[in-house]
Amino acid sequence: QVDLVESGGGVVQPGRSLRLSCAASGFSFSNYPMHWVRQAPGKGLEWVAVVSYDGTSKYYADSVKGRFTISRDNSKNTLYLQMNSLRGDDAAVYHCAREGRFTSRAFDVWGQGTMVTVSS
Amino acid sequence: DIQMTQSPSSLSASEGDRVTITCRASQSIGSYLNWYQQKPGKAPKLLIYAAFALQSGVPSRFSGSGSGTDFTLTISSLQPEDFATYYCQQGYSTPDTFGPGTKVDIK
Repeated sequence: QVDLVESGGGVVQPGRSLRLSCAASGFSFSNYPMHWVRQAPGKGLEWVAVVSYDGTSKYYADSVKGRFTISRDNSKNTLYLQMNSLRGDDAAVYHCAREGRFTSRAFDVWGQGTMVTVSS
Repeated sequence: DIQMTQSPSSLSASEGDRVTITCRASQSIGSYLNWYQQKPGKAPKLLIYAAFALQSGVPSRFSGSGSGTDFTLTISSLQPEDFATYYCQQGYSTPDTFGPGTKVDIK
């Protein structure tokens, strides 16, 4: 079945780096744009970044621009998020999500998420 | 960036009640509006896309309406499994933005 599984979260000190991964299965990964969406504890959903199906186009939320890099390896069916210069307000559960074949750019498949804690 | 607001922020309802949640965009987004349901500790689940289209597998008691700046999610007869938080999201322009959420709990 269609599935997304994130990994790579953990506890990291402010200013350090972390790389998240999202392994896709059950669908043609290379045909879909992919997103990262995060949720701070007790808060709502915040869109983070998107990468086109072929990896050539990338867009970021202003809150992470210049610090985070989204990428994908279609040969490995894997999405990545490289997070540098982490701050306390980056602490959240990070979900990867598939942008489905809808005109409204809806996210039809989500991973369960991986928790990132930023603490000294 | 397009700002999304939702009302109410929370509501209490009983099984069988009709529930309506409103989402408003800071500028016209046509029908580029999606609705999600999220339960504690779980990933969001797509309910409605393009303002009114029901995602496959979602019960027909859920419906969406609206266009432009004002949208509505309606649950015709609330079931025990519907107690959750609901988010709207605009896919009209990047950055995609979500509403702050509406928590539906048991009266």
